Amino acid sequence: DAKTTQPNSMESNEEEPVHLPCNHSTISGTDYIHWYRQLPSQGPEYVIHGLTSNVNNRMASLAIAEDRKSSTLILHRATLRDAAVYYCILRALDDKIIFGKGTRLHILP
Amino acid sequence: NAGVMQNPRHLVRRRGQEARLRCSPVKGHSHVYWYRQLPEEGLKFMVYLQKENIIDESGMPKERFSAEFPKEGPSILRIQQVVRGDSAAYFCASSPLRLPKETDTQYFGPGTRLTVL
Repeated sequence: DAKTTQPNSMESNEEEPVHLPCNHSTISGTDYIHWYRQLPSQGPEYVIHGLTSNVNNRMASLAIAEDRKSSTLILHRATLRDAAVYYCILRALDDKIIFGKGTRLHILP
Repeated sequence: NAGVMQNPRHLVRRRGQEARLRCSPVKGHSHVYWYRQLPEEGLKFMVYLQKENIIDESGMPKERFSAEFPKEGPSILRIQQVVRGDSAAYFCASSPLRLPKETDTQYFGPGTRLTVL
């Protein structure tokens, strides 16, 4: 399975932008990059996904490197409610989602 | 639209008893996935089902665990003769299975927290 590497944890101040990095150097040409997050005591929720171009939605932006070996999830203005574990996942034809350990994001008031 | 529903939210069993976890997918979704999350760990895939069919059970322990998704009613994850190591949060997810598959997203329920005494 293609794998991703993320920092174990990050901190950010409230109301500031947050950039969550993800390395996926073994990504194949047809793998999509998905991000999910898991708030405390809740199930994961979908955040965003992309293939090659940068993507924006109401929750976040996804910036994908030109060589696709890395990507960055951008929260434009973090709130306390964004404190969660963020998972960067590669989706191939295989239907399984393989969760790694993710990045635990702490938001400082 | 109601999201994925799981019940019970909390379940306590003694060693040797059976645990039955239920999952009702988002209305119109015919694909269900079960995951297990041990304390302070990531989610581990267990099984993927479509209506009346098991598609991928590569993450299911070989013994004591079974799953079904009948034509009518919720998906059921059954754990027989529970042991303390089965204590975990069990999450169910459903998807509409958009194509291409690589773009499909999963909608997760709130989980069932199983405690084995």
